[in-house]
Amino acid sequence: DAGVIQSPRHEVTEMGQEVTLRCKPISGHDYLFWYRQTMMRGLELLIYFNNNVPIDDSGMPEDRFSAKMPNASFSTLKIQPSEPRDSAVYFCASSPPGRGYGYTFGSGTRLTVV
Amino acid sequence: SQQGEEDPQALSIQEGENATMNCSYKTSINNLQWYRQNSGRGLVHLILIRSNEREKHSGRLRVTLDTSKKSSSLLITASRAADTASYFCATSYDKIIFGKGTRLHILP
Repeated sequence: DAGVIQSPRHEVTEMGQEVTLRCKPISGHDYLFWYRQTMMRGLELLIYFNNNVPIDDSGMPEDRFSAKMPNASFSTLKIQPSEPRDSAVYFCASSPPGRGYGYTFGSGTRLTVV
Repeated sequence: SQQGEEDPQALSIQEGENATMNCSYKTSINNLQWYRQNSGRGLVHLILIRSNEREKHSGRLRVTLDTSKKSSSLLITASRAADTASYFCATSYDKIIFGKGTRLHILP
């Protein structure tokens, strides 16, 4: 298995532009999580899905952020419009059905908004 | 907050020594997990201990859990240069919440 695949690895964009981050979870995993990591705030859970349905989006910073999971093998996190304070590393993770399993993380997308 | 808090924030030890990191949390949990993150990489799951377990081993890793004190420890024995990384505890109830991590540096 190729693991959790995120794209792009790096993204540099200008303030005000739309940014779309992509994630392909491990086949058979029915939980998908989006995290953001910064030095100041550490790892923050933004949103998570179970069987493609958003379960908890309380960590999404504001309306500029949106996430979708149209099918079991693909999810997107969109920021529109982007701001410099959105600069961070964004991780996607997936886990198998049921509780009591660790997460498999992707390599992350390093986003820089200038 | 459910978030775990690791202690110390940073730790430097000589290669071959044992490294101990601690984690405290505030609410009930189903399980507690430890992850490692190498610089510039994603997190790697190391070990999971359930709330009804007190100790677990995996290779050179030993994890303990004391639910009465709401604390856990991760012991890495016979440390190696490759163990240099950040280590995070993550508490799980309905979702996993991560602490800020301990930066471990193994000196040659």
